[in-house]
Amino acid sequence: SQQGEEDPQALSIQEGENATMNCSYKTSINNLQWYRQNSGRGLVHLILIRSNEREKHSGRLRVTLDTSKKSSSLLITASRAADTASYFCATDAGDPDKLIFGTGTRLQVFP
Amino acid sequence: EPEVTQTPSHQVTQMGQEVILRCVPISNHLYFYWYRQILGQKVEFLVSFYNNEISEKSEIFDDQFSVERPDGSNFTLKIRSTKLEDSAMYFCASAEGGSAYEQYFGPGTRLTVT
Repeated sequence: SQQGEEDPQALSIQEGENATMNCSYKTSINNLQWYRQNSGRGLVHLILIRSNEREKHSGRLRVTLDTSKKSSSLLITASRAADTASYFCATDAGDPDKLIFGTGTRLQVFP
Repeated sequence: EPEVTQTPSHQVTQMGQEVILRCVPISNHLYFYWYRQILGQKVEFLVSFYNNEISEKSEIFDDQFSVERPDGSNFTLKIRSTKLEDSAMYFCASAEGGSAYEQYFGPGTRLTVT
């Protein structure tokens, strides 16, 4: 089974709408991170949330973490066409030396 | 703003050849990583490196793979005898600390094995 699985796999919205992506994981974690990847490019770090935190904000991004449900969500408010990308959650699965990435959500924002 | 750089951006090689992928991590970072992403699939952890030694490696990182920090700035991934299935995007990452810290990724090297 996957350590990180994002839901939905793909999401299409209009500019100005909010986009919500969910991530579920299996094992205990120390922290969870969200990354963005534009097509064929590298990964850009968005937010890190620690296991003792429940919510974190950065600009138009809001991340929540529910360790009892082993899930996290990423909310992008007032989306823009430039937000079009794949979004991945990554956890340490309690292991300090690596990140395990989820399968990703492909977000398409139409102008 | 400091960033992780990788060279080359694209490497084409024949099956059985050796390749070396190069990375320059962010200068004050202490932890270094390699990941790979086969086209259309998720990012997979290969190896982590700290204090001049491998701290963890995945099942993918077999005897054909090795890493080295030959000087104070470069971090390399060597694949001794490439296979077709090694074709992927390879990402280097660095961090100030372990997984409690953000990892900063380079732009990747696209390796194509023919």
